[in-house]
Amino acid sequence: KQEVTQIPAALSVPEGENLVLNCSFTDSAIYNLQWFRQDPGKGLTSLLLIQSSQREQTSGRLNASLDKSSGRSTLYIAASQPGDSATYLCAVRAGGTSYGKLTFGQGTILTVHP
Amino acid sequence: KAGVTQTPRYLIKTRGQQVTLSCSPISGHRSVSWYQQTPGQGLQFLFEYFSETQRNKGNFPGRFSGRQFSNSRSEMNVSTLELGDSALYLCASSWREGSEQFFGPGTRLTVL
Repeated sequence: KQEVTQIPAALSVPEGENLVLNCSFTDSAIYNLQWFRQDPGKGLTSLLLIQSSQREQTSGRLNASLDKSSGRSTLYIAASQPGDSATYLCAVRAGGTSYGKLTFGQGTILTVHP
Repeated sequence: KAGVTQTPRYLIKTRGQQVTLSCSPISGHRSVSWYQQTPGQGLQFLFEYFSETQRNKGNFPGRFSGRQFSNSRSEMNVSTLELGDSALYLCASSWREGSEQFFGPGTRLTVL
């Protein structure tokens, strides 16, 4: 059974700081990994999708990496802003015989203070 | 392009009742997935549909069911509601299985 863990559970940083969020998974037979952000009481916004054959994806100030063999992904946020404050979730989509099922981590609550 | 829409946005029911939630995917998307989000359990996968067929199912009791229509719209039904069913129910669509998922705003269900 796939388990996804996100560390840290919460993070508070001053504006302008670069930061890294971590995601680890127990079963390396994945199809892809997706990072989301969720604002309080809202749905999820897709940030980046990394296919299992890729090592990283970039979008603006965001960079996500994937190391399938070690079961890890990181989300790097450059020059953080107060508007980046949200809960960040990583989700792993199973490959192989369980293709399609998405397993989420518990999330990292990020607070960027001015 | 319109995003994923879910109706209703808020719902209050009592124990023992049943409820039906609706999801309209992004135009052109043929895959719809449903998730339950609670403070204690986080986000848990319910089921996924593609071309009107259930492709995957999570570990939820048979009280939770769903279906997808020929226009890709989907509904999920929960029968014999329990207090523990109170949650945010999220729907996500993608153009095919395994591709990037886009989420709707969710339906907040409260069971009294």
